[in-house]
Parts: sequence; structure tokens; C-alpha cells
Amino acid sequence: NAGVMQNPRHLVRRRGQEARLRCSPMKGHSHVYWYRQLPEEGLKFMVYLQKENIIDESGMPKERFSAEFPKEGPSILRIQQVVRGDSAAYFCASSPQGADYYGYTFGSGTRLTVV
Amino acid sequence: GQQVMQIPQYQHVQEGEDFTTYCNSSTTLSNIQWYKQRPGGHPVFLIQLVKSGEVKKQKRLTFQFGEAKKNSSLHITATQTTDVGTYFCGTGTASKLTFGTGTRLQVTL
Repeated sequence: NAGVMQNPRHLVRRRGQEARLRCSPMKGHSHVYWYRQLPEEGLKFMVYLQKENIIDESGMPKERFSAEFPKEGPSILRIQQVVRGDSAAYFCASSPQGADYYGYTFGSGTRLTVV
Repeated sequence: GQQVMQIPQYQHVQEGEDFTTYCNSSTTLSNIQWYKQRPGGHPVFLIQLVKSGEVKKQKRLTFQFGEAKKNSSLHITATQTTDVGTYFCGTGTASKLTFGTGTRLQVTL
């Protein structure tokens, strides 16, 4: 029973390029959450999705960032025209119900470096 | 939204000493979750507390939820080097968990 799968583990992008981060939730989990963690800092909520729906995107920057969770395939977090300040670890988590039901299962994360 | 504060930010102990981290809120919380993140790793769920005054134990770890449901603590008895990492508390609604800033634990021999 595979856990939450994120890829790539490490991603290097030049300023102005696009970054695409992928997340496949645990089998049986239909709730997906994305968090960002800056170096030596805590976890900041970005977006909560269920299949084909964005439920809560209150933590997403208004520009350049978007997320989707299509009917088929993984959830995608997309960052357009990356800047140095986007360098961070991006974690995806999944759960079988809402965030207050039980704990999240986190993926191993994608470490994005913008050069 | 709900906010939780964690103290201390950092603690350095010698192996065998005890360790406690505290999570505080100015508002009543419906639940508290605790996670551990090893250096370079990802957060791993430890436990969820939902009842006033609840105490749960996992081997050397003891978790408490305050009577007023505004604070929580994680206590580790006789720390080991494998306990090194950052411990986060978080409180959740249906749509998201809000995490505290974490307590980084360093254990030396």
C-alpha cells in the first residue's frame, strides 16, 4: 500500500520558468492538501482539493500559483514564472476525510530551488 | 483563522533527559494533532487529541490536551538520539490544519 507519492523529489528551475509538482494520494484518500515550508520555518497551508474541485485555496498566492486534482491522475501544483522566493519544500498530504477527521499522511516533498 | 503558538522554538538536551514542548491558543480548539519531522524529512503524524483533559501515551511520549482545550503538550521521557527532529502541533477544521511554528529538538550523547 504505497503512501503519498510526490515527484520530483528535487527540482531546480531558473527564474521565469515554470515548476510542476505532482502528488498521488494514498489509495482510498480523496482529500489532498498542499503545504509550503520555507527553510527553518513551519508548514503553511496553500490549498485543499478533492477530485476535480478546489475546496479551499485561501493560502495560495493570487498570482502565478495554481492547483488541480483531475478525475484521472495526480494532483498538480503549478508555479509559473518562478522567483527566488519560491524556493522551498512543497509537501502534499492526503486523508480519507477532512483535516479534522484524523492525521494527514504526508509525501516526501518536492524541494524546489530557483536559481 | 485559528492560530497556535509553540514554545520553546529550540531545545538541546543530553540523551536521557526529558523534553516537553507546549502548544497554546487564545481560542478553544476542537482538536490537536502532533507531528514529527526529522531533519531533511517530511512530517509524520503522531496522534490526535479531541477531548478536554485527554492524555495519551505512546511508549516514551505523553500527549495532553488541556481542560479548557486551549493548550496541549508533548512530553518525551528519557530522550534518545532517535528523537531528534522538529515537533509540530496543528489544529484542524474540515478544510485544513494550521500548524504551530514547531519545536526543534537536538539530543546529544
